[in-house]
Amino acid sequence: DAKTTQPPSMDCAEGRAANLPCNHSTISGNEYVYWYRQIHSQGPQYIIHGLKNNETNEMASLIITEDRKSSTLILPHATLRDTAVYYCIVRVGDAGGTSYGKLTFGQGTILTVHP
Amino acid sequence: DVKVTQSSRYLVKRTGEKVFLECVQDMDHENMFWYRQDPGLGLRLIYFSYDVKMKEKGDIPEGYSVSREKKERFSLILESASTNQTSMYLCASSLWTGETQYFGPGTRLLVL
Repeated sequence: DAKTTQPPSMDCAEGRAANLPCNHSTISGNEYVYWYRQIHSQGPQYIIHGLKNNETNEMASLIITEDRKSSTLILPHATLRDTAVYYCIVRVGDAGGTSYGKLTFGQGTILTVHP
Repeated sequence: DVKVTQSSRYLVKRTGEKVFLECVQDMDHENMFWYRQDPGLGLRLIYFSYDVKMKEKGDIPEGYSVSREKKERFSLILESASTNQTSMYLCASSLWTGETQYFGPGTRLLVL
């Protein structure tokens, strides 16, 4: 799976949009971009994923650049409960073989939402 | 919504004890995973199961075993707990290999 680079930390004011960037310049054509978050002492929570088109769900939007070398997760109206570590992961969609589809989390971005 | 539950949020055990961690998913997923998460080391795969009674070793299976007798339940067993197995244990499930994985709340295990 391709490597990702994220800023170690970001701040956001409550009610404003939080834009979390991720670089994945070595991404392959069959690799998806996934986003998870982890609130302190809890299990990771799936947020959204995409291949090349922008995606939106009830939690967030995912914007993937045309060359697919970077992406941005957007939380449109951040709340205090969105304070968490956000992980950007790149992985193949059909991950058979020895990888078994395992997830590899990097260091992520610590997002702090303040009042 | 996918629901993955783990038997305990916090567990304290003594060295040498046999420890059972249970995970249950309610979405009829084929695949289930056990990871451990440690500061600075990220998520590491211990074992993976792609069907009932089927299992595969992950990256760090030593000291662990697993059991999957029913599709919805995947158990992680520490045969003889050691202090270096103190960690956060995370269970996940996915419909198929390569599909989105959904995690349980985690079990924080302390081995004294």
